[in-house]
Amino acid sequence: SQTIHQWPATLVQPVGSPLSLECTVEGTSNPNLYWYRQAAGRGLQLLFYSVGIGQISSEVPQNLSASRPQDRQFILSSKKLLLSDSGFYLCACPSRGRATGELFFGEGSRLTVL
Amino acid sequence: SQELEQSPQSLIVQEGKNLTINCTSSKTLYGLYWYKQKYGEGLIFLMMLQKGGEEKSHEKITAKLDEKKQQSSLHITASQPSHAGIYLCGADIGGELTFGQGTILTVHP
Repeated sequence: SQTIHQWPATLVQPVGSPLSLECTVEGTSNPNLYWYRQAAGRGLQLLFYSVGIGQISSEVPQNLSASRPQDRQFILSSKKLLLSDSGFYLCACPSRGRATGELFFGEGSRLTVL
Repeated sequence: SQELEQSPQSLIVQEGKNLTINCTSSKTLYGLYWYKQKYGEGLIFLMMLQKGGEEKSHEKITAKLDEKKQQSSLHITASQPSHAGIYLCGADIGGELTFGQGTILTVHP
């Protein structure tokens, strides 16, 4: 079965510092991968998605970037964090063999920028 | 503006009570998904609805999609503390899975 690992689970960073959130997927190969951000009181916002190694699509202009160096690894980064980058970041991939909208989510990484 | 509107934003009920959460769109929905999220955790897929008038149940949770495929409701019968969490609807809008803002459910024992 699929497993998504996100690391770190919790992060507190000062404004202007760099960021790296990692997502690794097990139990599937060549998955589409997604980064979502969930701000307090709001739904999930799709930030990036990737259909393969080195292929990244950005949904919204932002201070963040994403990379996919390996088939099952998806990284969210920033060179200089802003206060507005605070939120709960979720990595997801389609549940294997299921409909497109049925996603399997990781446990999330909570980022607080001070 | 939000493409998917959920109501209410939060809900507090006594254990054993029934409740309904709504998800509304101004556009026809081709695929409506309900997820549950415990605070600070990832989302768990509950159900998917695709056809107008479709209704699905899982244990004490029932979800319906109206005939026009613009509104869905999630109904919990005889709520339990284990039902507490954030319920999010998601829909395929413009080729992407778009989510509502979520409904926070608290169930008091």
